[in-house]
Amino acid sequence: EAQVTQNPRYLITVTGKKLTVTCSQNMNHEYMSWYRQDPGLGLRQIYYSMNVEVTDKGDVPEGYKVSRKEKRNFPLILESPSPNQTSLYFCASSSRPAEVYGYTFGSGTRLTVV
Amino acid sequence: AQSVTQLGSHVSVSEGALVLLRCNYSSSVPPYLFWYVQYPNQGLQLLLKYTTGATLVKGINGFEAEFKKSETSFHLTKPSAHMSDAAEYFCAANNDMRFGAGTRLTVKP
Repeated sequence: EAQVTQNPRYLITVTGKKLTVTCSQNMNHEYMSWYRQDPGLGLRQIYYSMNVEVTDKGDVPEGYKVSRKEKRNFPLILESPSPNQTSLYFCASSSRPAEVYGYTFGSGTRLTVV
Repeated sequence: AQSVTQLGSHVSVSEGALVLLRCNYSSSVPPYLFWYVQYPNQGLQLLLKYTTGATLVKGINGFEAEFKKSETSFHLTKPSAHMSDAAEYFCAANNDMRFGAGTRLTVKP
């Protein structure tokens, strides 16, 4: 089944403790992206990647890192999480051009930072 | 950059009534436009998209949307709401996928 898989689905952590949210897609998509979803703000893009070893900042990149060493994987790293990073996170992928194909989304990771 | 505005953060309709969810974009160049649906505790899934060609676009689950360049709008409609349509709906524009803030649809029995 074609899908984007995120892990974990739920995560509670403490301020400052490094964490990684994994994202993997099995559709051979070039384009991958991370979003956060907050009430009243919709989805905001954190980082995106147009291919292996090519990443770029989205609208809200502060406090996050990403890497794209393999085509299928695009992990999101929070080096020192803070409470304002409590949010619902989505990974998405697309064939290029994304504007024609649209995105396939993962099921989301609900992160709470205390 | 593109921006997308969804009018109404919450829309409530009765089962069987018309569903109308509004989306306006800001751009001098017609963008590619998308509607996504998010059911509770799930990711977003693509409902329909407009790229070029016919301005009335049909999607899954009986939804359709019409691109109106003169009004810079891409409103989502469904003639008859079903209980299973209760979800959050997002409009998005272009390849950088700028999303609207979302509209939560409630369907009353």
